[in-house]
Amino acid sequence: AQKITQTQPGMFVQEKEAVTLDCTYDTSDQSYGLFWYKQPSSGEMIFLIYQGSYDEQNATEGRYSLNFQKARKSANLVISASQLGDSAMYFCAMRHPGYSSASKIIFGSGTRLSIRP
Amino acid sequence: NAGVTQTPKFQVLKTGQSMTLQCAQDMNHNSMYWYRQDPGMGLRLIYYSASEGTTDKGEVPNGYNVSRLNKREFSLRLESAAPSQTSVYFCASSSGETGEQYFGPGTRLTVT
Repeated sequence: AQKITQTQPGMFVQEKEAVTLDCTYDTSDQSYGLFWYKQPSSGEMIFLIYQGSYDEQNATEGRYSLNFQKARKSANLVISASQLGDSAMYFCAMRHPGYSSASKIIFGSGTRLSIRP
Repeated sequence: NAGVTQTPKFQVLKTGQSMTLQCAQDMNHNSMYWYRQDPGMGLRLIYYSASEGTTDKGEVPNGYNVSRLNKREFSLRLESAAPSQTSVYFCASSSGETGEQYFGPGTRLTVT
């Protein structure tokens, strides 16, 4: 069965430092997609970045990059030059392939990131 | 564009009462979803609709019903609320090759 594991319940990082949030996944499918979402204290879910299982290059979106290591089944989120506004809960998620035409997604339990000034 | 909207934002129910959570999207997405998020946890899928006219159960469907009213709107109904349904409910929609989902602001529901 598909599963997402985030082993860091909470992290503290100094402002301007880079931070890596860990995510490992388990699937027997060859085609899948991986996402990271941010949930600030206000509660909304914000899509950050996507990586397809067949993408050869790591995805990047501004200060966010996804360190995709397919053989190890890991999809870590790297935030460069962290800012106070990066303090939030971060969720790793995986899309099930071929489940009707909907993108059924499962979520990890999240990592709470706190940025220290 | 408003994206995904949800009403109400907050609701308090007594055990046994019923209510419907409303969701609408203006992004012309085919698929829509309902999740619940309990404190300190990730999101769990309740029901989803791959396209207009279809609905399917997710991970935690018991105690809920859904209606895909049209392409824009997807409602979630609690027929007889229970304290275990106290949670934050999110609606989402998706389309396109990557399937990323876009979320509404959530409804905070308390059942006493």
